[in-house]
Amino acid sequence: GESVGLHLPTLSVQEGDNSIINCAYSNSASDYFIWYKQESGKGPQFIIDIRSNMDKRQGQRVTVLLNKTVKHLSLQIAATQPGDSAVYFCAENGLGTASKLTFGTGTRLQVTL
Amino acid sequence: DADVTQTPRNRITKTGKRIMLECSQTKGHDRMYWYRQDPGLGLRLIYYSFDVKDINKGEISDGYSVSRQAQAKFSLSLESAIPNQTALYFCATSDFGWNTGELFFGEGSRLTVL
Repeated sequence: GESVGLHLPTLSVQEGDNSIINCAYSNSASDYFIWYKQESGKGPQFIIDIRSNMDKRQGQRVTVLLNKTVKHLSLQIAATQPGDSAVYFCAENGLGTASKLTFGTGTRLQVTL
Repeated sequence: DADVTQTPRNRITKTGKRIMLECSQTKGHDRMYWYRQDPGLGLRLIYYSFDVKDINKGEISDGYSVSRQAQAKFSLSLESAIPNQTALYFCATSDFGWNTGELFFGEGSRLTVL
């Protein structure tokens, strides 16, 4: 079936470096993508989203890149900080699933000092 | 106060018991959801409701039921809990919008079924 997955379950990054978290999706009809951050003991929180008519979107210290040709999504975090340590999920909203999201399995980002 | 509040936050129960997890929201959103989170499996949708009179099954609804008592309240029930329903449960809300997907999550309810 269609799925949203992540390449790496755990990513370790030194403080100050840039982080890149990758996500592959298989539903070619997906037209909206979101990245969520989940800190320990908390619910997921929205980071940034992107629609399928875009290939890049920037936020504060974060950038999402979308490559529809290879069905790949990435989240880039600039100057990673200890507070960025969390699990990051990508999610997609496929055509016809208004406001229902399908989540990937998550990548844990560990920021080392 | 949190915009999406879940109760209880933690619950330990025994196999066969009936359990209700409650969710209330102050965001004024019409759409509410229940997700289940298991290690390594991400978040999976159990049920969702687009308004008070609308209830829909998600991908893993077997063994669960829901009730939308009001716009602000959406409860999840396990009629006869079993150990493989041990998980972290999240309630979420969203505003109307076909191509918007931002969900606002509660803090989660951790359920352990012995």
